[in-house]
Amino acid sequence: DIQMTQSPSSLSASVGDRVTITCRASQSISSYLNWHQQKPGKAPKLLIYGASSLQSGVPSRFSGSGSGTDFTLTISSLQPEDFATYYCQQSYSTPITFGQGTRLEIK
Amino acid sequence: QVQLQESGPGLVKPSQTLSLTCTVSGGSISSGSYYWSWIRQPAGKGLEWIGLIYTSGSTNYNPSLKSRVTISLDTSKNQFSLKLSSVTAADTAVYYCARVSVLEDAFDIWGQGTMVTVSS
Repeated sequence: DIQMTQSPSSLSASVGDRVTITCRASQSISSYLNWHQQKPGKAPKLLIYGASSLQSGVPSRFSGSGSGTDFTLTISSLQPEDFATYYCQQSYSTPITFGQGTRLEIK
Repeated sequence: QVQLQESGPGLVKPSQTLSLTCTVSGGSISSGSYYWSWIRQPAGKGLEWIGLIYTSGSTNYNPSLKSRVTISLDTSKNQFSLKLSSVTAADTAVYYCARVSVLEDAFDIWGQGTMVTVSS
């Protein structure tokens, strides 16, 4: 199985901050990397697919980059509605696997 | 607008079979542009992929659950289903159904999730 490791596991930030979350795969996954946002009590929501493509309807302050084993999700200017847990997920091979999540909290 | 909705018992006894259905509305489950998946999340924990089914009916399961999982498709009802046998307390979780876009190779639409508790 491909292991996905996110860092940090939790992060405190303020509205307006620029935030970066990192995801590392245990082997190369090319660009088969997706990012999801999950708010408490809600289903995850797709933000980024193919490492860097913005899902329709997602604000442009979200961006993704990387290929191979190292990936990042960046939020350019945090908004109040962005405080949530973020998961990376590889679709390179089955079993599909997720990172452990990064909880983004208000400072 | 495509929506997915999970349904099924919220309480299952240990050793019994968990059965859930996902109803797809606003689009056809037979579209070759998508396939269909189940994911679960224990309370306070991360996401675990259970398996998926293609419109052909072929399936792919997580090896960690493969011996206990069956996913099936009912195109006449626009539904797909999950059966997980011999459940234990470790199977207590929120279960999500999701659509996988072939183009994006990602879970692009999720159901709201349904909580299943395994307890006697």
